[in-house]
This record gives sequence, C-alpha cells and structure tokens, in this order.
Amino acid sequence: DAGVIQSPRHEVTEMGQEVTLRCKPISGHNSLFWYRQTMMRGLELLIYFNNNVPIDDSGMPEDRFSAKMPNASFSTLKIQPSEPRDSAVYFCASLALNTEAFFGQGTRLTVV
Amino acid sequence: AQSVTQLGSHVSVSEGALVLLRCNYSSSVPPYLFWYVQYPNQGLQLLLKYTTGATLVKGINGFEAEFKKSETSFHLTKPSAHMSEAAEYFCAVSRNAGKSTFGDGTTLTVKP
Repeated sequence: DAGVIQSPRHEVTEMGQEVTLRCKPISGHNSLFWYRQTMMRGLELLIYFNNNVPIDDSGMPEDRFSAKMPNASFSTLKIQPSEPRDSAVYFCASLALNTEAFFGQGTRLTVV
Repeated sequence: AQSVTQLGSHVSVSEGALVLLRCNYSSSVPPYLFWYVQYPNQGLQLLLKYTTGATLVKGINGFEAEFKKSETSFHLTKPSAHMSEAAEYFCAVSRNAGKSTFGDGTTLTVKP
C-alpha cells in the first residue's frame, strides 16, 4: 500500500477563497482523522470519522471548516472562506482497529 | 478523559549520548501508548507502541520505552544519539487505539 495520500502537498491561496484538501486513507482502515499543526498550537485534532461517519468534530474551529467522507477511500476538508490564520500544515491519518495511526505527508496551506 | 504531558519542549544532547524524552499520561482506562517521530516537512511516523503485555517496548532504530503504570509514564530512551535523529517527537495516548491524544511534542537536537 502507498500509505495515506494527501493532495495537494502545498497550497497557496488568497484570503476569501475556498480551499479543498484531499485524503486517501490506507485501504481497509476504518478510522480517519484530520489534524492541523501550527507552531503556536501544535497538533490539533479537527475531526475524525469511523466507518465514514463523523464521530467527533469538536475540534473544527469554525463553521468555515467542513469535512466529508463520502466513501471509505476518500475524504475532504474544506475551508470556505479561507483566512490568513488558517495557514498551517493539515494532516490526514488513518487506522485500522487496534493499530496505530498512519499519517500522510501533510498539506502545507498558506493563505495570503 | 485522557491527556499527555511531555516534559521539556526542547532537549539537546551530544552525538553518542543517551536520549531521554519524558512523557506522562492520564487515562481513565488502560491506555494504549505511542511514540511518533516527525522529521522536517514530513508526517508523523510510529516509533513504537504499547498496547498490552511486556512493559518494555522496543521500537525502530534502537529506541525503547517503558510503560510504568505506577508513575503513569512512558519515557522514550535510546542509549546513543545519532545526528540523523534530530526531529520532533510526540507521545500519544488512546483508548483501544481509537482517537489519540497527542502531547505538545519535544524537539530533539543532536550536537556533533
């Protein structure tokens, strides 16, 4: 398996624009997590899905953030409209039952 | 509820010296414990994990950690540091390997 695949690796966008981050989890993994990493706040869990169902979205900072998992092999994290303070590295991770989380390489988002 | 405290946001050692990164956790149920490493511009990679059984866990590249229930600790050690191991290290706790709670991370610097 190629591991967790995130795209794009880098995204630069203007304030106010919509941003969509994509994640393909490892085949067979039934849980998927979206994290945000910044220098100031470290690694924050935004939302996680179990069997494609959102279980806990309490970490989603505002209504501007939304996440979907239409099927077991794909998830998106959308920010609309984006703001400069959303600049961060966003990680997707997946895990199977009773295993550790496998992380993607991350998407570095810069909002100017 | 579960939480993780990593003591020392920065640790600096000389090449060849002992590495000790400290992690204390709290969990209302028997925990699963993990150490991850993050190299610059990359995602987190698992170093080692404790689920059940032997309390001394060996991971990749000579790293070890010991689960001490009485001290609620899971410190990471390596007898001899190598320059290539300069990175950020994260301790994490979960229940049944579901949603993990991560510590704030410890940046390891290895001096020549």
